[in-house]
Amino acid sequence: DGGITQSPKYLFRKEGQNVTLSCEQNLNHDAMYWYRQDPGQGLRLIYYSQIVNDFQKGDIAEGYSVSREKKESFPLTVTSAQKNPTAFYLCASSPGQGIPTGELFFGEGSRLTVL
Amino acid sequence: AQKVTQAQTEISVVEKEDVTLDCVYETRDTTYYLFWYKQPPSGELVFLIRRNSFDEQNEISGRYSWNFQKSTSSFNFTITASQVVDSAVYFCALSGASGGGADGLTFGKGTHLIIQP
Repeated sequence: DGGITQSPKYLFRKEGQNVTLSCEQNLNHDAMYWYRQDPGQGLRLIYYSQIVNDFQKGDIAEGYSVSREKKESFPLTVTSAQKNPTAFYLCASSPGQGIPTGELFFGEGSRLTVL
Repeated sequence: AQKVTQAQTEISVVEKEDVTLDCVYETRDTTYYLFWYKQPPSGELVFLIRRNSFDEQNEISGRYSWNFQKSTSSFNFTITASQVVDSAVYFCALSGASGGGADGLTFGKGTHLIIQP
């Protein structure tokens, strides 16, 4: 089935540790995104990538890093510099520029808890 | 800057009642796209509808309907004869002129809809 796979679904981390969340898509989409969801805050954009080997900061990029070495993969690293990393993280993809649909396809999310 | 406001944090109704979720947006773009997504307890966001800024026709899909009014910058969502399965968090979102959402969507904070049996 075509879609977006995020792993792990649940993750626990000790303070001061980096952690990497995986996001893989087999939709052949050019663009990929990472959003953070906190209770009552909606979704906020962390990073996005419109094409392989290129990515841009979103609204809340501090304390996070990404890479886009392959079209189908867009991992997110939550670094120790992120002050409040406990949240629900959603990965999404879209066909990309030039295709005026705007619809994002989402994974099931990863819930990160810092102990 | 773009902004989406969903003033209703939580709505609770009894099954079979009609319910309307409000969405107000701000944008300087003349071409833009509006969306509604549903987030059930499983967490994954499910796409419901997309509307472009040039199409102000209301849309109905089964028990769902959407009212887009450019004059008031609103894109409201109505569920008729609500069911328990409609319980979820609903997000309104906005994309810019690229339409492709290449730089991401701007989301409202969501409305938690609770349908009581």
